[in-house]
Amino acid sequence: DVKVTQSSRYLVKRTGEKVFLECVQDMDHENMFWYRQDPGLGLRLIYFSYDVKMKEKGDIPEGYSVSREKKERFSLILESASTNQTSMYLCASSLTGEDTQYFGPGTRLTVL
Amino acid sequence: SQQGEEDPQALSIQEGENATMNCSYKTSINNLQWYRQNSGRGLVHLILIRSNEREKHSGRLRVTLDTSKKSSSLLITASRAADTASYFCATDRSGTGNQFYFGTGTSLTVIP
Repeated sequence: DVKVTQSSRYLVKRTGEKVFLECVQDMDHENMFWYRQDPGLGLRLIYFSYDVKMKEKGDIPEGYSVSREKKERFSLILESASTNQTSMYLCASSLTGEDTQYFGPGTRLTVL
Repeated sequence: SQQGEEDPQALSIQEGENATMNCSYKTSINNLQWYRQNSGRGLVHLILIRSNEREKHSGRLRVTLDTSKKSSSLLITASRAADTASYFCATDRSGTGNQFYFGTGTSLTVIP
């Protein structure tokens, strides 16, 4: 079974802090994604990566950056956390040529 | 927005009844997927239907697709309390090959 893990289930940070959210998948998937999920807005794509060291902006990249130094790991970085980044963050991965995305359990981030 | 929209936003039924939820989308698609999300968790893939298919079954799930109306429906037959979750449709983004738009979800409650 594909397993996607995220470093924290719950995280509380202060405004202005630098925040790292880590995602690891164990199935050698080329593609990895970061979404945020907010009530009434569904899932919105922040960034994705289709290969090591490659990244592409999604729909809402402002205030975020990403890093993919190894194939299995995709990190989301909030350079200076703000209260409007309080949200549920979901990581997903997929194999190129296949449409199914496999999701991690999510990180609920609260920025105070 | 290119997102799909699920209807209804919330649905409450008795155990044993059938649950139907709908998804409408805006652009041409190659395929449409349905995912399930238990409260506070990641999404789990349920079923995929391609644009040249009209109906697909998987266990107690039945999915239909009407590309002329840009809509899909998910039917869960003989519902169980364990089916309580949010259900999302996802449509592929034209030209990307591996990215999807997710809808805002239908919250299903199955009362024992």
